[in-house]
Amino acid sequence: GENVEQHPSTLSVQEGDSAVIKCTYSDSASNYFPWYKQELGKGPQLIIDIRSNVGEKKDQRIAVTLNKTAKHFSLHITETQPEDSAVYFCAASRAADSWGKLQFGAGTQVVVTP
Amino acid sequence: DSGVTQTPKHLITATGQRVTLRCSPRSGDLSVYWYQQSLDQGLQFLIQYYNGEERAKGNILERFSAQQFPDLHSELNLSSLELGDSALYFCASSVEAFGGTEAFFGQGTRLTVV
Repeated sequence: GENVEQHPSTLSVQEGDSAVIKCTYSDSASNYFPWYKQELGKGPQLIIDIRSNVGEKKDQRIAVTLNKTAKHFSLHITETQPEDSAVYFCAASRAADSWGKLQFGAGTQVVVTP
Repeated sequence: DSGVTQTPKHLITATGQRVTLRCSPRSGDLSVYWYQQSLDQGLQFLIQYYNGEERAKGNILERFSAQQFPDLHSELNLSSLELGDSALYFCASSVEAFGGTEAFFGQGTRLTVV
């Protein structure tokens, strides 16, 4: 089955700096890669996603890149703010001919210090 | 607010007992997923239902079962509870059942088995 590895497990950045989280996946049939942000005491919140027919996607300060050949994808947060502090999870799921269960990475604790 | 409602938010029960967790999906979503989040295992997929029918199973124990009702709400039943079942249980919903569909998570139920 699919295996998703996520690095780093913790990331401390100064406010205003950029943060990058990297994930690799094992199943070449995976083609949907969402990123979730989980704040303390809350459920995971979908912040951005990318599909395998796209190499990069941006939404304001957040961007995701995908390298299908290398089977890795990354989350980039620019101009970080204290409210970006949370646990971020990458995930992968298979093509539209399969069911939609998500395989999650282990998570990255991001701490943004003012 | 994702639109996915889970009750109760917290549950404390003794070993050997049985509990039921409830999930109401977003309006219009036909697919419901259950995930378990523990410190050592991360977010693990348990089971998926689509329009009342089971579609996919993950690492769900035989002591656990789920169902989706005609009004599309879902219940996760956990029986013969053990200390190791203590975790956060999340429900997610999506419009479609297949991979590549955005999934939205509820706030979770924190289960503590004592």
